[in-house]
Amino acid sequence: DIQMTQSPSSLSASVGDRVTITCRASQSISNFLNWYQQKPGKAPKLLIYAASSLQSGVPSRFSGSGSGTDFTLTISSLQPEDCATYYCQQSYSSPSITFGQGTRLEIK
Amino acid sequence: QLQLQESGPGLVKPSETLSLTCFVSGGSISNEIHYWSWIRQSPGTGLEWIGSIYYSGNAYYNPSLKHRVTISVDTSKKHFSLRMSSLTAADTAVYYCAREMGTVEGLYFMDVWGKGATVTVSS
Repeated sequence: DIQMTQSPSSLSASVGDRVTITCRASQSISNFLNWYQQKPGKAPKLLIYAASSLQSGVPSRFSGSGSGTDFTLTISSLQPEDCATYYCQQSYSSPSITFGQGTRLEIK
Repeated sequence: QLQLQESGPGLVKPSETLSLTCFVSGGSISNEIHYWSWIRQSPGTGLEWIGSIYYSGNAYYNPSLKHRVTISVDTSKKHFSLRMSSLTAADTAVYYCAREMGTVEGLYFMDVWGKGATVTVSS
């Protein structure tokens, strides 16, 4: 199985801050990496697919980068509505996929 | 636009079998490159992939759950289903169905999700 490890597990930032979340795969997964946002009581929402492609309708302040084993989700200017938990997910071995453990983002 | 809706019991007794169905509306379930998936989330924890099925009926399962899980699809009724046996309290979770969209480039991502069905395992 491909293991996905996110860091940090949680973070707190202020409105307007630049926020970075990292995800590391246990083996090379090329660009088969997706990012999701989940708010309390809601289903996850796709933000980024193929490591850096922005899903339709997602604000441009979200961006993704990386390839191989190391990936990054960046929010360029944090907004109050970005308070959520963020998950990375590898699709290299799709349909057998795995998620990272999640990063909880709080607004100061 | 495509929508998914989970249906099933909210309460199941230990050792019994859970049956959930995901109804697909606003689009085709018979697309040749998409998978239809089940994911669960136990209280306060992360996301766990349970399994996926192709419209043809080929199913794939999480190795840790494979011995207890069966996923099936009915294209005529536009739904796919999850059966999980020998339930314990550890199976208490929100169960989501989702479309794992495929592209010609070989990319896959879950772009449409149901709202989730809360399942509690308790006597």
